[in-house]
Amino acid sequence: AQSVTQPDIHITVSEGASLELRCNYSYGATPYLFWYVQSPGQGLQLLLKYFSGDTLVQGIKGFEAEFKRSQSSFNLRKPSVHWSDAAEYFCAVGPSGYSTLTFGKGTMLLVSP
Amino acid sequence: GAGVSQSPSNKVTEKGKDVELRCDPISGHTALYWYRQSLGQGLEFLIYFQGNSAPDKSGLPSDRFSAERTGGSVSTLTIQRTQQEDSAVYLCASSSPGQIYNEQFFGPGTRLTVL
Repeated sequence: AQSVTQPDIHITVSEGASLELRCNYSYGATPYLFWYVQSPGQGLQLLLKYFSGDTLVQGIKGFEAEFKRSQSSFNLRKPSVHWSDAAEYFCAVGPSGYSTLTFGKGTMLLVSP
Repeated sequence: GAGVSQSPSNKVTEKGKDVELRCDPISGHTALYWYRQSLGQGLEFLIYFQGNSAPDKSGLPSDRFSAERTGGSVSTLTIQRTQQEDSAVYLCASSSPGQIYNEQFFGPGTRLTVL
């Protein structure tokens, strides 16, 4: 069965510092991988996705993620965090086409001044 | 509308009552998904509709939960005889045909509180 692990429940980063959120997955075939962000009281917004090709993918809001098959990881990074990045971040895995996604439990990002 | 909409945004009910949650997907999206988000538990898949195919109900936690999708568009999630453990945010998402990846667009959710 597929699964997603986000080891960090909370992370606090100073504004302007770099960020890395970890995501490990378990999936039987080539995974389609996603990072979503959820601001308080909002739905989930897609940050970026990976399904093939270049293992370093760029997303919105200056985020990027790197797919490492050997480590079953898809970590999210940002070189310089802004206070508006404070939110909950979810990693998800799924097959191609129409099907449900399996989500991690999320990482809450707090940004300190 | 431009995005997925859900109503109501908040629902408070008493234990044992039935509730209905509504989802309006993005126009033209043939796939519709319901997820439940409980505190600290991430998103849990509930049910998935794709076109005219039979829905995938494998995530529904009990027979008190049901959902329908009328006319291939609007969906209603019904929870009968609500229990306190049903308190959560219920999220709806939809996705479009012709994509090779499964990008799902989410609504803002309905926060359900069962007293």
